[in-house]
Amino acid sequence: RKEVEQDPGPFNVPEGATVAFNCTYSNSASQSFFWYRQDCRKEPKLLMSVYSSGNEDGRFTAQLNRASQYISLLIRDSKLSDSATYLCVVLGGSNYKLTFGKGTLLTVNP
Amino acid sequence: EAGVTQFPSHSVIEKGQTVTLRCDPISGHDNLYWYRRVMGKEIKFLLHFVKESKQDESGMPNNRFLAERTGGTYSTLKVQPAELEDSGVYFCASSQEDFAETQYFGPGTRLLVL
Repeated sequence: RKEVEQDPGPFNVPEGATVAFNCTYSNSASQSFFWYRQDCRKEPKLLMSVYSSGNEDGRFTAQLNRASQYISLLIRDSKLSDSATYLCVVLGGSNYKLTFGKGTLLTVNP
Repeated sequence: EAGVTQFPSHSVIEKGQTVTLRCDPISGHDNLYWYRRVMGKEIKFLLHFVKESKQDESGMPNNRFLAERTGGTYSTLKVQPAELEDSGVYFCASSQEDFAETQYFGPGTRLLVL
């Protein structure tokens, strides 16, 4: 079983749509959780951290369910500029070694 | 402030040749990390430096890979001899604090071994 598994995608949605990304992780001792965004042929960039209570940043909402070892990211009112690969990232066993999912490609169409 | 830089941006070599990748972290960042993504796979951790010391090289695939960080500034990752399966994107990241949330990634070096 992979350490971090994501929806394989790709997702194609129209502008204004709501899109949800799902992720599960295998290490129950994992400590911290993140969503990264990676544009085509660019480096991964931190989008947001994911907290147990859930957190929101504008149109983006992240949720964590430790019991189910499940993480989600919701994008509301999607924009063309949201087109990118979304990476679910988990930190476990150390405070520096990031474990990445394969990513889910999102394309927002006009 | 300049971000993490990597050189070269692309490298195409033949199997059996040697390639050296360079990473310049953000100035003042003691922590430097190497990751790589091979085709169709997820990004994976290779190793972690604190200043010039290797703290964790558990992700290095085999002894054909050698990472150095002399003087605690820039780092190099040498692959010798390169094999086909080494093709992928090699990312470097740096952080001031030894904590994952603060890792800043470079643009990566795209390596193709023919």
